[in-house]
Amino acid sequence: SQQGEEDPQALSIQEGENATMNCSYKTSINNLQWYRQNSGRGLVHLILIRSNEREKHSGRLRVTLDTSKKSSSLLITASRAADTASYFCAPDAGANNLFFGTGTRLTVIP
Amino acid sequence: DTAVSQTPKYLVTQMGNDKSIKCEQNLGHDTMYWYKQDSKKFLKIMFSYNNKELIINETVPNRFSPKSPDKAHLNLHINSLELGDSAVYFCASSQALAGPYEQYFGPGTRLTVT
Repeated sequence: SQQGEEDPQALSIQEGENATMNCSYKTSINNLQWYRQNSGRGLVHLILIRSNEREKHSGRLRVTLDTSKKSSSLLITASRAADTASYFCAPDAGANNLFFGTGTRLTVIP
Repeated sequence: DTAVSQTPKYLVTQMGNDKSIKCEQNLGHDTMYWYKQDSKKFLKIMFSYNNKELIINETVPNRFSPKSPDKAHLNLHINSLELGDSAVYFCASSQALAGPYEQYFGPGTRLTVT
């Protein structure tokens, strides 16, 4: 399938720790995007990484992409309670068609 | 100003009924989408429209019919509702089809079929 599969399904950490979430996919992609979803809300775009990029940073976020392994990771450094949310990766095989999975549920304990 | 808005936010109805969900974006985007998120949080694309033209129909039963009266609106009509249609439906938009572009999501419509 074209969807992204996030791992782990759930992650619980202390405030100030780093959180790493992984994503695997099965098809060739043009780019991969990460989104955040707070409980009961819509998704919010975090970062986009193109297939010819290996790493990208945005504030406390660091995303890597390994197209040979068909995998990506999202690192959130110095986590805060406000980072508690579900995080989704979305591989884009073209034409802006995003195939989400079930997300990683991150809980940051104050 | 809300970028992508959906109405209603909650919808409770009985099996067999017909219902509609409305979506509007004020971002001037060309492309709009409908997604379904089930109880396990799996988010699946249903349709995408570009300049009022249907681009994707991802194995969605024909009881679901999207309608785009103009670029800023994409409504979802569902006939003969079934229990399995219970989910949260999200509308989204992006600047254009040929990106890549980030997608902006609405707040969702929680549909409960009893």
